[in-house]
Amino acid sequence: AQSVTQPDIHITVSEGASLELRCNYSYGATPYLFWYVQSPGQGLQLLLKYFSGDTLVQGIKGFEAEFKRSQSSFNLRKPSVHWSDAAEYFCAVDSSYKLIFGSGTRLLVRP
Amino acid sequence: DADVTQTPRNRITKTGKRIMLECSQTKGHDRMYWYRQDPGLGLRLIYYSFDVKDINKGEISDGYSVSRQAQAKFSLSLESAIPNQTALYFCATSDSQGRGEQYFGPGTRLTVT
Repeated sequence: AQSVTQPDIHITVSEGASLELRCNYSYGATPYLFWYVQSPGQGLQLLLKYFSGDTLVQGIKGFEAEFKRSQSSFNLRKPSVHWSDAAEYFCAVDSSYKLIFGSGTRLLVRP
Repeated sequence: DADVTQTPRNRITKTGKRIMLECSQTKGHDRMYWYRQDPGLGLRLIYYSFDVKDINKGEISDGYSVSRQAQAKFSLSLESAIPNQTALYFCATSDSQGRGEQYFGPGTRLTVT
């Protein structure tokens, strides 16, 4: 069965530091992968998506993610975190036009 | 105006009561979804609809029902609410021409006492 694993429940980084959030997926075919962000009290907003082609994808707010088929991973990165990036981040895989989400990683940003 | 709206935004109800959560969208999308979010579990799919005449159960449909009144409206009902249905509920939409990208409403926080 398809699944998404986000191994880190919480991550704390200092403002200005780099960030990497981990995501591993289990999917038989070429996956369609997504990262969403949920700010406090808000719905989910799409950060970026991977369908095919270049394995490094750029998203909004300075985020990028790299698809690595050999590792079944789709990790999210940002070179310099801002205090406004504090939120919960969800990785998801498309399964027949339905999304399967990971359990989320909550990002805390130290001043 | 928001593309995907949900009403109510917050609701407290008692065990055994019937409650309906409503979702409307102005994006013109065919596909609509209902999810619930619980801490540490991410979002789980309750029901989805790929067009007005198409309704499908998701991962956790027990205790829920839905109605697709029009392309733009998709309602979720709890016929007899129970405390473990306390959660944050999200409606989402997607375009039938696309693959996977979904647009989410702001959520409804439901508390069953």
